[in-house]
Amino acid sequence: QVQLVQSGAEMKRPGASVKVSCKTSGYTFNRYGVTWVRQAPGQGLEYMGSISVYSGDTYYAQKFQGRVTLTTDTSTTTAHMDLRSLTSDDTAMYYCARVDFSNSIGNDYWGQGTLLTVSS
Amino acid sequence: EIVMTQSPATLSVSPGERATLSCRASQSFNNNLAWYQQKPGQAPRLLIYGASTRATGVPVRFSGSGSGTEFTLTIDSLQSEDIAVYYCHQYDSWPDTFGQGTKLEMK
Repeated sequence: QVQLVQSGAEMKRPGASVKVSCKTSGYTFNRYGVTWVRQAPGQGLEYMGSISVYSGDTYYAQKFQGRVTLTTDTSTTTAHMDLRSLTSDDTAMYYCARVDFSNSIGNDYWGQGTLLTVSS
Repeated sequence: EIVMTQSPATLSVSPGERATLSCRASQSFNNNLAWYQQKPGQAPRLLIYGASTRATGVPVRFSGSGSGTEFTLTIDSLQSEDIAVYYCHQYDSWPDTFGQGTKLEMK
């Protein structure tokens, strides 16, 4: 069965960086992409960006451009999200989700989420 | 970017009744519109994609409709397990955007 399992909760100081991992299984990794979405406490969903595993093409929301980097490792079928220059506003739950760029079905499988807390 | 606006913010419906949730886009797009259900402490779950296609395993009481700028999620015969926040999501035009959510409560 399709699974996306994310790395554990993180606590960081302002100005630091964080790397969140998303280990996938149960499907052909390079036939799909991975989207990253975050959710601040008590708030809605916010799109951060997507990556095509096959081509390596990345698409970043303007708000995060220059501060986020999405990568994938096909040898371990894992996607990674690096976020730099953290502030308290980055405190949120971060989700990875599978995306099918070819068949336009939205994000059909999601990771369980990784809680990032940024505090001094 | 396309702004997605959901209404109402909170909806109270009696068990067994119908719930109708709306999502309006700031500009028209092709029907690359999804609906997600999110329960407390859980990741979102895909319910509808392509504006009207139910995802695998989604009960038939959930249906999606609409086109252009107006989209609707309908839940027939509300069950207690349907209590959640529902989000619309357009993935037609980069960047993807989400509505702010509708919280569905039991009356």
